[in-house]
Amino acid sequence: RKEVEQDPGPFNVPEGATVAFNCTYSNSASQSFFWYRQDCRKEPKLLMSVYSSGNEDGRFTAQLNRASQYISLLIRDSKLSDSATYLCVVNLGTYKYIFGTGTRLKVLA
Amino acid sequence: GAGVSQSPSNKVTEKGKDVELRCDPISGHTALYWYRQSLGQGLEFLIYFQGNSAPDKSGLPSDRFSAERTGGSVSTLTIQRTQQEDSAVYLCASSLDGLAGGAETQYFGPGTRLLVL
Repeated sequence: RKEVEQDPGPFNVPEGATVAFNCTYSNSASQSFFWYRQDCRKEPKLLMSVYSSGNEDGRFTAQLNRASQYISLLIRDSKLSDSATYLCVVNLGTYKYIFGTGTRLKVLA
Repeated sequence: GAGVSQSPSNKVTEKGKDVELRCDPISGHTALYWYRQSLGQGLEFLIYFQGNSAPDKSGLPSDRFSAERTGGSVSTLTIQRTQQEDSAVYLCASSLDGLAGGAETQYFGPGTRLLVL
C-alpha cells in the first residue's frame, strides 16, 4: 500500500462547480499535512497547510480526519485557472515529506 | 526576492555519460532537498542537507547518484553513467531550516528535465 494515495483523476468540472478531492495516508503517526498545486511542467507550490480543525482560504477548504486517516480539499466556484494537479503531502514530524502522485483537475469553460 | 533556481532547465544526454545538476536555494535557507519526479509518479525523496550536518542520503537510488552542498548554499546532484531509467524531472527545494518538525513550507525550483537516450 502506498504511504499517500490519491485518485489520479482527471476530474473534469464546469466553471463554477464545486469539486472535492480526498487523500488517504497509511501512517497514523503523520503529523503535518499539506496541499500543493502543480501546474503542467512547473514546480509544486504550497496551496495550503491542513490543520486539525480544518481551514479555509477563500474558495479552498481543507479538512483532516485523523480517525480515518484522510485529508480533503474542497474547491468552490471553480475557475479555469484552478486547472492543475493537486498534490497531497504528509509529514511524520521530521524533514521527510511524502508526496502523493496527485489529482488532476480540469475546469471546463 | 529570488526563489530557488536550478540549471540546466533541460538536459539531454547519452546513456553512460555523467551529468551534473545545480541548485541555488533561497538565500538564508539552510535546508535543501532533492527530489525526482517521473511521469505519473509522486515526488521521490533523494537527499536532504541541513546546515553543516551530515546529509541524509537514504533516498539516493544507487551509488551512481551523489550530491554535495558547498558552503551551505549551492548544491550539485551528480549522476554517473546515466541510464535511461534516470530520465525524470529533478526538483530541488529549500526551506528555512528543516527543523520545524515538518511544519515548514518547501519552496521548489523549476526543475531540471533530464532525458537519457
